Amino acid sequence: NAGVTQTPKFRVLKTGQSMTLLCAQDMNHEYMYWYRQDPGMGLRLIHYSVGEGTTAKGEVPDGYNVSRLKKQNFLLGLESAAPSQTSVYFCASSQTVAEQFFGPGTRLTVL
Amino acid sequence: DAKTTQPNSMESNEEEPVHLPCNHSTISGTDYIHWYRQLPSQGPEYVIHGLTSNVNNRMASLAIAEDRKSSTLILHRATLRDAAVYYCILRVYSGGGADGLTFGKGTHLIIQP
Repeated sequence: NAGVTQTPKFRVLKTGQSMTLLCAQDMNHEYMYWYRQDPGMGLRLIHYSVGEGTTAKGEVPDGYNVSRLKKQNFLLGLESAAPSQTSVYFCASSQTVAEQFFGPGTRLTVL
Repeated sequence: DAKTTQPNSMESNEEEPVHLPCNHSTISGTDYIHWYRQLPSQGPEYVIHGLTSNVNNRMASLAIAEDRKSSTLILHRATLRDAAVYYCILRVYSGGGADGLTFGKGTHLIIQP
């Protein structure tokens, strides 16, 4: 089992460019999450999904969109990147409310 | 989720026990106490969780005060690999209960060889 994987690992964007981050899990989990982590801070929830075809907003959803067309994948999109979106992005999945499994993260820099 | 308070950092020696405190004075009866840790340059990792009784697993023990206003994560014999940021998080299990975790700044645990 690969667990939770994230693509890409690193990315540099210019202001205004768009991109999609891909999260994949092979544990057949219902719930998936996108977080961002800024330097010296804890993680903050961007969006989450409680099942295929469903999404919901988290604490900091502005500037991001998500889709969950397949149970195993959760995509995070930035339509027009801004320097304030420079961060490390983590995806997570879970089957119960007890334990979330996190991916290795994507380090995004917006110039 | 209710707020938790943790020390910014703690230091311990290798092969000694470590007690990481967490205060959660506004905890409600339905809040579970979760601990995650984040090793350098990695995603967070689940450690342990509990409601009222003390809990043990292969990674750690969780001691919960009788009034539930505080808890302590115990690493019985710290190794250098345990150097990480440890997060104490409260979660309500309601309905689907699938909303995300609310992370604070956590405690930066430093292990001296």
